[in-house]
Amino acid sequence: TQLLEQSPQFLSIQEGENLTVYCNSSSVFSSLQWYRQEPGEGPVLLVTVVTGGEVKKLKRLTFQFGDARKDSSLHITAAQPGDTGLYLCAGVNYGQNFVFGPGTRLSVLP
Amino acid sequence: DSGVTQTPKHLITATGQRVTLRCSPRSGDLSVYWYQQSLDQGLQFLIQYYNGEERAKGNILERFSAQQFPDLHSELNLSSLELGDSALYFCASSVELRGSGNTIYFGEGSWLTVV
Repeated sequence: TQLLEQSPQFLSIQEGENLTVYCNSSSVFSSLQWYRQEPGEGPVLLVTVVTGGEVKKLKRLTFQFGDARKDSSLHITAAQPGDTGLYLCAGVNYGQNFVFGPGTRLSVLP
Repeated sequence: DSGVTQTPKHLITATGQRVTLRCSPRSGDLSVYWYQQSLDQGLQFLIQYYNGEERAKGNILERFSAQQFPDLHSELNLSSLELGDSALYFCASSVELRGSGNTIYFGEGSWLTVV
């Protein structure tokens, strides 16, 4: 069974701070995706990383896929209250099944 | 708006009852996925259909069943409901079954409360 772990589980920071959340697995994935979910809504795709070592930037968000395609990180610069939400990583295995991590719940205080 | 439509948005029912959740995938998407999300279990994969056929099964209880119809919409049937079935049920869809970087799009979910 492929499992994804995310850390930290909860994170509460002040507006303007930087943060990094992690997604780790012992399994190799063909690609990895990050989603953000707000209360009462479905997860919304932020990014897909496909190549080992790949780095993608989305405004203040930087995503990195590990060289071995087993882990990923999400770095947010100068966090804003609008970044508050549940951040989920999802690994896509070669059989095209999606495995979701438990999520990191981020709260950015004004 | 992801293009995935789920109904109903909210549902309250009693233990022992049966409910049906409905999902219309994005136009052109052949794959439909069902997920259950509760506070203590996170996002749990239930089942996937591709073009009307079951493709993958996750942690779906025997009391639950699903199907995908010729027009590609899908229904998730939950029977003999228990208090622990209270959760958000998400439908998601994607355009293709295989291929690196396949993306799934989630609906807004159906919030089921069993009392």
